[in-house]
Amino acid sequence: NAGVMQNPRHLVRRRGQEARLRCSPMKGHSHVYWYRQLPEEGLKFMVYLQKENIIDESGMPKERFSAEFPKEGPSILRIQQVVRGDSAAYFCASSPFQGGGTNEKLFFGSGTQLSVL
Amino acid sequence: GDSVTQMEGPVTLSEEAFLTINCTYTATGYPSLFWYVQYPGEGLQLLLKATKADDKGSNKGFEATYRKETTSFHLEKGSVQVSDSAVYFCALKTQGGSEKLVFGKGTKLTVNP
Repeated sequence: NAGVMQNPRHLVRRRGQEARLRCSPMKGHSHVYWYRQLPEEGLKFMVYLQKENIIDESGMPKERFSAEFPKEGPSILRIQQVVRGDSAAYFCASSPFQGGGTNEKLFFGSGTQLSVL
Repeated sequence: GDSVTQMEGPVTLSEEAFLTINCTYTATGYPSLFWYVQYPGEGLQLLLKATKADDKGSNKGFEATYRKETTSFHLEKGSVQVSDSAVYFCALKTQGGSEKLVFGKGTKLTVNP
């Protein structure tokens, strides 16, 4: 059973371009979480999705950022018109449950490092 | 709001040394507490957890005790190995159905032979 797959591992964009980060959850997992880690900071929650639904987007910046988790295919985190401050590591996690409880079934991907030039 | 504070790294130890990584938290209610580990090139993995006061989480020789009176969850290991070199994250999850984890900044540990 493959783990949570994120791609690309590294993404370089120029200011103003769009960045699309992909997350394929573990097989059988229908709950996806996105976190962002800015330099010298801890991981910060961004958004929680189930298939075709956004459950909690309280951590998403109000502009330029969007996320989806379609019925088929990976979850996508999209950043439009990137700025240098978007440079960070973006982590995805998946779970088969809504209530994670003690998190034994919450698995993280290796992250995508976004660099904005 | 809820927050987690970890001791700053990096931490460098010799093999078989004793490890402590301090973690304190601020939260409303009674959070669950976690330590995650990230080995080079990999995703975060759950190392251990505690869900109520005085619980002790343990795994792979690591331990941490949920101390409500000091709002702490310090990570300890009696004898570290080179293979323990990684980044360690303390985290909490509050009650109430929220799925959000609140993480500390992480502490990088390097163990030399």
